[in-house]
Amino acid sequence: QVQLQESGPRLVKPSETLSLTCAVSGYSMSADYNWGWVRQPPGKGLEWIGSIHHSGRAYYNPSLESRVTISIETSKNQFSLNVMSVTAADTAIYYCTGVPNGVAGDPWGQGTLVIVST
Amino acid sequence: QSALTQPASVSGSPGQSITISCTGTSSDVGGYDSVSWYQQHPGKAPQLIIHAVSKRPSGVSHRFSASKSGNTASLTISGLQAEDEADYYCCSFAGPSPSYVFGTGTKVIVL
Repeated sequence: QVQLQESGPRLVKPSETLSLTCAVSGYSMSADYNWGWVRQPPGKGLEWIGSIHHSGRAYYNPSLESRVTISIETSKNQFSLNVMSVTAADTAIYYCTGVPNGVAGDPWGQGTLVIVST
Repeated sequence: QSALTQPASVSGSPGQSITISCTGTSSDVGGYDSVSWYQQHPGKAPQLIIHAVSKRPSGVSHRFSASKSGNTASLTISGLQAEDEADYYCCSFAGPSPSYVFGTGTKVIVL
């Protein structure tokens, strides 16, 4: 059974870079598959951030593309998210997900709340 | 890439059926047979309950069914139960490069 676990700083200062890692267990990331990130501001809806193929090719939400980078390390069975120049609007629960064909997320990590504040 | 439109809330009594709509455009819902639905209980991660417009993953109750017509997708919950009280989100592939857009979310209230 595939399991995902997010990790990273829970507090980030405005204008700095938010960095999260997702550890994948129960599945080899060397296989042909996609992985992704979704976020959810407290009390609000879901927003697709982007996804990455095991080959390293990444795709991003056009509204975030200029500030977001997703990378993958298949040898460590993990993938990562960087969001640059964060503001309070980037405060959210960040979920890492598997991305089967045509599906934005399945399965999901438990999510991690990241707060942008001084 | 605008969020898909869902009603803010839908309510029903136990045993009844309710339907949640999800309206997009020809660039997302209407253009691809890749609509999925997620159930999210408070404090929990979303869980996939429908993919490819109307397919249920293994383990998902047969009380959940879904369809699509034009630019609008729909999720129906039959035989409403207390455990169905949650937030529900639709999501559509929004190509051409892999891209997805979520709906605004619907809170289901079991009366």
